[in-house]
Amino acid sequence: QSALTQPPSASGSPGQSVTISCTGTNSDVGGYNYVSWYQQHPGKAPKLMIYEVSKRPSGVPDRFSGSKSGNTASLTVSGLQAEDEADYYCSSYAGSNNYVFGTGTKVTVL
Amino acid sequence: QVKLVQSGAEVKRPGASVKVSCKASGYSFTAYHMHWVRQVPGQGFEWMGWINPISGGTNFGQKFQGRVTMTIDTSISTAYMELNRLTSDDTALYYCARPNGYHGFDIWGQGTIVTVSS
Repeated sequence: QSALTQPPSASGSPGQSVTISCTGTNSDVGGYNYVSWYQQHPGKAPKLMIYEVSKRPSGVPDRFSGSKSGNTASLTVSGLQAEDEADYYCSSYAGSNNYVFGTGTKVTVL
Repeated sequence: QVKLVQSGAEVKRPGASVKVSCKASGYSFTAYHMHWVRQVPGQGFEWMGWINPISGGTNFGQKFQGRVTMTIDTSISTAYMELNRLTSDDTALYYCARPNGYHGFDIWGQGTIVTVSS
């Protein structure tokens, strides 16, 4: 199972939007609506930000949104804030009770 | 408060085994599978597998099949992950994670750093 492909970095100024892509295959991202996104600050455990492509857990600001088209999922952070600076990882169900993670994207708030 | 607390850091020689524990609290332990995920420093995550706390049934990622064992002690709400035949490539931060029922992981342990070095 190959890792999902994410851009290594993305950036934006406070108040702007940034979108991160997550590209997989028909066997994972494209085959199921089970893409999740995680935020990880340095030295901390990951935090679930989006599940089932576009759903937000309780407590996650609505500035975070997710979508999917074909084999590519996307996370958009609108109205960037300083605390959004972190690493972001996607994950997808890959069938047969297996999961795969993305390579990770470092988001910098300029 | 729902929490997963993992055992402390480990240093192992190549060829050895390591066993990491993950104690759950604040929820019904048997209601959720327990997953294990690792993160190589500065890199992404690798999903390792899961265990069903009721049946003890497991499912492992292809990369880890034959080398990983996952067990459960429901009497103390604790899951274990044992990785055998360690190499330097196994140096990583190992996490246990609880699924949210929708193929996402909403509760994570604090991580256990495993260092493999001769």
